Amino acid sequence: GNSVTQMEGPVTLSEEAFLTINCTYTATGYPSLFWYVQYPGEGLQLLLKATKADDKGSNKGFEATYRKETTSFHLEKGSVQVSDSAVYFCALSEMDSSYKLIFGSGTRLLVRP
Amino acid sequence: NAGVTQTPKFQVLKTGQSMTLQCAQDMNHNSMYWYRQDPGMGLRLIYYSASEGTTDKGEVPNGYNVSRLNKREFSLRLESAAPSQTSVYFCASSATSPGRIYTQYFGPGTRLTVL
Repeated sequence: GNSVTQMEGPVTLSEEAFLTINCTYTATGYPSLFWYVQYPGEGLQLLLKATKADDKGSNKGFEATYRKETTSFHLEKGSVQVSDSAVYFCALSEMDSSYKLIFGSGTRLLVRP
Repeated sequence: NAGVTQTPKFQVLKTGQSMTLQCAQDMNHNSMYWYRQDPGMGLRLIYYSASEGTTDKGEVPNGYNVSRLNKREFSLRLESAAPSQTSVYFCASSATSPGRIYTQYFGPGTRLTVL
């Protein structure tokens, strides 16, 4: 079945450091890929998405490129801020009857001043 | 627009008690979803409603029932709560049309503890 695998956390970085959170997926078709972010005590917010191979999603300095050849969608940011501290979820959705999201387990990011 | 709203925010139940979690969206979305979030496991789909009048099971439906009351509202019911249902519950909604995948929008969640 379809699945998403994320790197284990927590990831602890100093402010202005470079961030990479790895995400790989298994899917039978051609899914859309998403990164959601969850700040403490809140629900999930869409961070960025990509709907086809080689698409790059970007938002708030974060980027991720849909790599079909490596079935990956790694999240990157060139210079993290304390306010980026949150849990990041990679997810996929296929065009089946439910359009449901399949999530990775989440990666907690802690950015220190 | 309020987006997706959920009530209550917190709830403590005793084993065997019942309760209903409420969800409403004001974005005129066709599809609505209920997920549960457990530590280290991401979110897992409990039930979904692809359109008004339809509901279907997701990955972890046992112990739950749902009602799509109208296009705006989608409730989740625990008939006899068990400690294994201690979790954070999220409702989500999205537009749908053939051949396109739309973003799902999430509510703030309900933190449920079953003693």
